[in-house]
Amino acid sequence: DVKVTQSSRYLVKRTGEKVFLECVQDMDHENMFWYRQDPGLGLRLIYFSYDVKMKEKGDIPEGYSVSREKKERFSLILESASTNQTSMYLCASSPGTVDGASGNTIYFGEGSWLTVV
Amino acid sequence: GQNIDQPTEMTATEGAIVQINCTYQTSGFNGLFWYQQHAGEAPTFLSYNVLDGLEEKGRFSSFLSRSKGYSYLLLKELQMKDSASYLCALLDSNYQLIWGAGTKLIIKP
Repeated sequence: DVKVTQSSRYLVKRTGEKVFLECVQDMDHENMFWYRQDPGLGLRLIYFSYDVKMKEKGDIPEGYSVSREKKERFSLILESASTNQTSMYLCASSPGTVDGASGNTIYFGEGSWLTVV
Repeated sequence: GQNIDQPTEMTATEGAIVQINCTYQTSGFNGLFWYQQHAGEAPTFLSYNVLDGLEEKGRFSSFLSRSKGYSYLLLKELQMKDSASYLCALLDSNYQLIWGAGTKLIIKP
C-alpha cells in the first residue's frame, strides 16, 4: 500500500513563527502536492512538485514556500505564520500525471491540523 | 472558469440507498473522481469516470453525463461506516484536480 506520512498531526504555533510541515511518501512517486482544507471550501492547492528541486505554484501560494530536496520528501514552510493560515493541511503524491484511466490517482496523508494563535 | 457544486450535507438511514450529486462547469475535461474522507483521516479513492455511464464497484456506483456536467455517487445498503465526507473532483484539461467542497453524509440507525 502507498503510504504518505505527515510528521505532525496537530500543531499550535504563535503568529509570526516559522512553521515546517513535513511529508514523506514511500512509493517513489514523481509528483507531490500540498493542499489546505477548510470547512465549506474544496481542497485548495498550495504548491506542487513534479521532480526533485522543482516546484510550481498552485492556486493559493501566498504566505507559503516549499522544498523538495529528495524525491520522497516534500516540505511546506510558513515563513511567518498568521491566524488566517489556521487550517488542515494535506500532503499528497501521485506516480505520474493524475489520470484515472491509466490508474494514476492521488494518495493523501492523514493531514496536519495547524492552529495559529 | 471552472466550478464544482455538491450538497453540503445529506442524511440517510442504515440499509437504505443514497445518491450524492455533483455538478460542474469546465472548459476542459479529463475525468471525474470521487473520494471518501472519514473525519480526521486522509481522503481515499473511490471511483473515476471519464466516459458517460455508470461504473459499479460493489455497493458503490458512480455515474457521469459529460453533456450535462453531472455526476453522482450512489451508495447502496448503507452501513454506519459509510458516514463520511464524499469529495467530487474534476480533472481539467491540464490534468489538474479541481475539488468540490465535499458532501458530509450522516447515516442514522
